[in-house]
Amino acid sequence: KQEVTQIPAALSVPEGENLVLNCSFTDSAIYNLQWFRQDPGKGLTSLLLIQSSQREQTSGRLNASLDKSSGRSTLYIAASQPGDSATYLCAVFFYNQGGKLIFGQGTELSVKP
Amino acid sequence: DAGVIQSPRHEVTEMGQEVTLRCKPISGHNSLFWYRQTMMRGLELLIYFNNNVPIDDSGMPEDRFSAKMPNASFSTLKIQPSEPRDSAVYFCASSATRQETQYFGPGTRLLVL
Repeated sequence: KQEVTQIPAALSVPEGENLVLNCSFTDSAIYNLQWFRQDPGKGLTSLLLIQSSQREQTSGRLNASLDKSSGRSTLYIAASQPGDSATYLCAVFFYNQGGKLIFGQGTELSVKP
Repeated sequence: DAGVIQSPRHEVTEMGQEVTLRCKPISGHNSLFWYRQTMMRGLELLIYFNNNVPIDDSGMPEDRFSAKMPNASFSTLKIQPSEPRDSAVYFCASSATRQETQYFGPGTRLLVL
């Protein structure tokens, strides 16, 4: 069974700190990997999409990396701000899941001013 | 574009009643997804459509759940009869193709008493 795991489940950091969120997946046969952000009571917002042929993607203060062979992705947030506080979800599009994104449970990030 | 539109935003109903959730995807998107989110199980895909055709409904919990997409701009998820364990947030998402970035609606928060 293909699974996506995110550790830690929750993270609290002081404002200004650089941080890394982790995502691991059980099968390297993936089409792409996507990072989302979810604010309390809201829907998901797409942050970055990395194709299986890519090693990283960047958007502003966010940088996502992908290591397919080891089944890992990281989301790096530079100079964190209180407005970054949210739950971050990793989702993997596996070849063998018939076209479905499989989501991790998320990491709840709190950035303290 | 207004993004993915869902209605109602909140629904409170009594056990045994029929519930209908509605979704309008982003214009031009060919894939539509229905998800359910709970604290215990996280985000689960219920069903997805490609070009208005249901492709995979293996996530639909049981026969009480049904989904339709009569045209490219409208989909419904129906629960009949509803049960307290159906209480969750239901999200609709759409994407240009099934492998591309998914755009989520704000969700419908369902409470079945």
